[in-house]
Amino acid sequence: GQQVMQIPQYQHVQEGEDFTTYCNSSTTLSNIQWYKQRPGGHPVFLIQLVKSGEVKKQKRLTFQFGEAKKNSSLHITATQTTDVGTYFCAGSGGAQKLVFGQGTRLTINP
Amino acid sequence: DADVTQTPRNRITKTGKRIMLECSQTKGHDRMYWYRQDPGLGLQLIYYSFDVKDINKGEISDGYSVSRQAQAKFSLSLESAIPNQTALYFCATSGKGYTEQFFGPGTRLTVL
Repeated sequence: GQQVMQIPQYQHVQEGEDFTTYCNSSTTLSNIQWYKQRPGGHPVFLIQLVKSGEVKKQKRLTFQFGEAKKNSSLHITATQTTDVGTYFCAGSGGAQKLVFGQGTRLTINP
Repeated sequence: DADVTQTPRNRITKTGKRIMLECSQTKGHDRMYWYRQDPGLGLQLIYYSFDVKDINKGEISDGYSVSRQAQAKFSLSLESAIPNQTALYFCATSGKGYTEQFFGPGTRLTVL
């Protein structure tokens, strides 16, 4: 079945450094979504990408969807302590249900 | 009030016990989901329902069952709990099509 791999599993950065997490699917995706889970919290939707090669920005966050619609990335510029949490990608194929990556846990040294 | 609620928030039970986790939503969504979260494994789909009469198995349905009592309610049951079902369980809802999912606060289940 469809698998979504996400790397790295953990990332520790100094505040102000950049951060990137990568997501790869075993199959072509209809769309990809990104979620953020704060420590002790629940996943919260960040964004959805649908088009091949799509790039979307939310302030310091940049999301990309690959040309083949099998990979995606989330880049955070100049991290802040409020960015701490686990970031998940989730891909959807034809069945309209999401398959989540394992997540990247981001910790930040202030 | 929260749009997606889960009860209980925490539960400790013993091996072999039957347990039910409940989820309610006020978002008016047709689609509801149950996920399990284990450290390092992300979110795994247990069951999902696209409307009241529709129930589908997810990636890890063995040992679990569900009931969609109404559009707003979706419950998850463990017929005979075992220790490796210790995990954080999330309910989620979404609208039709490829739309975002809204998650409840989670239920932390410990099976001794």
